[in-house]
Amino acid sequence: SQQGEEDPQALSIQEGENATMNCSYKTSINNLQWYRQNSGRGLVHLILIRSNEREKHSGRLRVTLDTSKKSSSLLITASRAADTASYFCATDAGGGADGLTFGKGTHLIIQP
Amino acid sequence: EAQVTQNPRYLITVTGKKLTVTCSQNMNHEYMSWYRQDPGLGLRQIYYSMNVEVTDKGDVPEGYKVSRKEKRNFPLILESPSPNQTSLYFCASSLSQRPLSTDTQYFGPGTRLTVL
Repeated sequence: SQQGEEDPQALSIQEGENATMNCSYKTSINNLQWYRQNSGRGLVHLILIRSNEREKHSGRLRVTLDTSKKSSSLLITASRAADTASYFCATDAGGGADGLTFGKGTHLIIQP
Repeated sequence: EAQVTQNPRYLITVTGKKLTVTCSQNMNHEYMSWYRQDPGLGLRQIYYSMNVEVTDKGDVPEGYKVSRKEKRNFPLILESPSPNQTSLYFCASSLSQRPLSTDTQYFGPGTRLTVL
């Protein structure tokens, strides 16, 4: 079942600009993860934020989590052409045993 | 190198011809999973396995079988493929029996399957 929903579905920006993607989810979570997928390739883990954390940084990535709104955002600063990819949020399903549940993704295009 | 491998990477087949997509991981992970990815639908879990000889249905198991006879291998079997199984398939693994909040899933490179 779909848990996370990313927004927007697609985003195109100029190189050097910041890119922000949002994720909303429905049920309570322990943690939320963000993954990147280059075209036709496997997903690669980017960052994990725990439910008791509000913000986390990793290099040019900044993730926020608002559990009261059941939402998270991923900010990529100073974007580069190599950041062109699809980005997915994934949540653990709370009490379920089926591991991570992924959203449909945001397709990010960085224009050179 | 720690990795998840899948074979074949590309496959075109015909309706009804049994096929197997292999998945292998060299990280001694307990948990393995299969997903399919379709435009507009994101990743949907097909089957998962928390340990050897333990498999469970995900969200879209119909038309698929899996087995987990060894820890490192988790093949996906399509006994009688149909065109609606044309998709991009990913195998993934993670360390613990149930992916904990701290567990990262490691994905294979994907298998693009076309069923004519």
